[in-house]
Amino acid sequence: EAQVTQNPRYLITVTGKKLTVTCSQNMNHEYMSWYRQDPGLGLRQIYYSMNVEVTDKGDVPEGYKVSRKEKRNFPLILESPSPNQTSLYFCASSETGSGNTIYFGEGSWLTVV
Amino acid sequence: GQNIDQPTEMTATEGAIVQINCTYQTSGFNGLFWYQQHAGEAPTFLSYNVLDGLEEKGRFSSFLSRSKGYSYLLLKELQMKDSASYLCAPFDSWGKFQFGAGTQVVVTP
Repeated sequence: EAQVTQNPRYLITVTGKKLTVTCSQNMNHEYMSWYRQDPGLGLRQIYYSMNVEVTDKGDVPEGYKVSRKEKRNFPLILESPSPNQTSLYFCASSETGSGNTIYFGEGSWLTVV
Repeated sequence: GQNIDQPTEMTATEGAIVQINCTYQTSGFNGLFWYQQHAGEAPTFLSYNVLDGLEEKGRFSSFLSRSKGYSYLLLKELQMKDSASYLCAPFDSWGKFQFGAGTQVVVTP
């Protein structure tokens, strides 16, 4: 079954404690992306990757890092989480990123206290 | 950059038709998606427009006017399960998507 899998789905953590949210897709997609979703603000892109070893900042990259060492995985790293990073995070992938349908993971609810 | 405008909320009764408008200002515009999102769940693909005109998919249709920077999503024969947020998502020629804040559709009996 074609899917985008992200973990953890739910996490409560403390300020400053590094965490990684993993994302994996099994569709051999070149394009992967991370979004955060906050009430009234919609989905905002954090980082995206057009292919292995190619990553770019989205609209709200501050406080986040990503890596794309292999095609299927695109982890999101919060080096020093802060309460304003409390949000619902979605990983997504598409075939090439140029107008192909985006497939989303189920979302990760992150709370930073 | 991109600027996307869609209504915050719309209410309609079961069986009715609702039209959700979206205007955008997208540099290098290449096409537009509509996604449906139920509360707390991932967005799911509904429709895709690249050329001007109407795309029909069952009860859902989407229209695009590239010259006007305008799209709409038409939901026909509304069902209770259609209560959700609907996201307008234009993308540019570099493949970058941007999502609108979403229109919450409330279907009443």
